[in-house]
Amino acid sequence: GQSLEQPSEVTAVEGAIVQINCTYQTSGFYGLSWYQQHDGGAPTFLSYNALDGLEETGRFSSFLSRSDSYGYLLLQELQMKDSASYFCAVRGDDSNYQLIWGAGTKLIIKP
Amino acid sequence: DGGITQSPKYLFRKEGQNVTLSCEQNLNHDAMYWYRQDPGQGLRLIYYSQIVNDFQKGDIAEGYSVSREKKESFPLTVTSAQKNPTAFYLCASTEARQENTGELFFGEGSRLTVL
Repeated sequence: GQSLEQPSEVTAVEGAIVQINCTYQTSGFYGLSWYQQHDGGAPTFLSYNALDGLEETGRFSSFLSRSDSYGYLLLQELQMKDSASYFCAVRGDDSNYQLIWGAGTKLIIKP
Repeated sequence: DGGITQSPKYLFRKEGQNVTLSCEQNLNHDAMYWYRQDPGQGLRLIYYSQIVNDFQKGDIAEGYSVSREKKESFPLTVTSAQKNPTAFYLCASTEARQENTGELFFGEGSRLTVL
């Protein structure tokens, strides 16, 4: 079957750096996306990696290694508002544009 | 402002009743999706539509139905055949180009509770 694995919960301190890992097993791969979702809210798009390497957008960066079927989201200078769930998602099929989602990582930030 | 509007935000249903969740977008996006989210789980695809008057089943379509008569609208009906309908339902849309990046735009969700 197809699956994405990410930790269920990560705890960090305000101002610190945290990395959320995602490993995937899919029959095809066209890119890895990351979304942020606050409790009861809508997921919002953070980043997308189709090629190996690091993509930086402000305090957030995302990394992909296709050979390892692995990626991570790096959050720097953590703020309390970053407390949310973070989901990785893979587009594994070129024909139907469906995303395969991880179960999400709840990020808890302590002052 | 452009965006996706879902209604109602909260909905209570008695067992055996059908309910319809509304999803409207003014982003001029071609593709629209319905997802179901349960606590501690990722999003699961119910139905999606890439063009008006056409839609495809996702992974968990049983007990649900959709229509796509207009580009802007993609309503979801939760039928009485859905055995465990209590969940958070999310509607999303994307342009054909953005589908290639996996960037979906989501509505604020509808929380359905079966009494």
